[in-house]
Amino acid sequence: DAKTTQPPSMDCAEGRAANLPCNHSTISGNEYVYWYRQIHSQGPQYIIHGLKNNETNEMASLIITEDRKSSTLILPHATLRDTAVYYCIVPPRPAGSNYKLTFGKGTLLTVNP
Amino acid sequence: EAQVTQNPRYLITVTGKKLTVTCSQNMNHEYMSWYRQDPGLGLRQIYYSMNVEVTDKGDVPEGYKVSRKEKRNFPLILESPSPNQTSLYFCASSAQLAGGVGGELFFGEGSRLTVL
Repeated sequence: DAKTTQPPSMDCAEGRAANLPCNHSTISGNEYVYWYRQIHSQGPQYIIHGLKNNETNEMASLIITEDRKSSTLILPHATLRDTAVYYCIVPPRPAGSNYKLTFGKGTLLTVNP
Repeated sequence: EAQVTQNPRYLITVTGKKLTVTCSQNMNHEYMSWYRQDPGLGLRQIYYSMNVEVTDKGDVPEGYKVSRKEKRNFPLILESPSPNQTSLYFCASSAQLAGGVGGELFFGEGSRLTVL
């Protein structure tokens, strides 16, 4: 399964856009990129996912590079409530592979007033 | 309401006393999984299950057992808990999309376990 690399921490000013990068250089052609976030010690929450096209929903936008080796999660107008750990994951595809779903350590985004 | 329910939410126990953390989902999901979270180590997968009677080890399965006799339930069993199993545990589930694991993972609220 594709491993992901994220910076351990980032800061953002309230009201500004938060851009969280993720590297997944070993991603396969049919593997999706998923983003989750975890506020304090709550259960992680799904944000968005994508394959190759950019995606947007009410929470965020996901920009995936053309070669699919990296992506960026964008929170367009960050608020203090967006302070959380953000995880980028690439779930493995089937056909005999295992289905381990590794989250790693993610990026701690701190939104400052 | 779609949800994953874990019990207990908090538990303090002693070394060697068997315990079970229950997990139940009401979304008819095939895939279920257990994670533990420790400071500085992120979320690590303990066990997962692709469907009833189908389970497999994650990255840190030592000291744990699971079973999947019904689709909705996926209990985590600690036969002889030790202090290094003190952790925050999360159960999660998702629908297995055609062609493989994917889809949104739904997480429970977590179970904080302390083993003395």
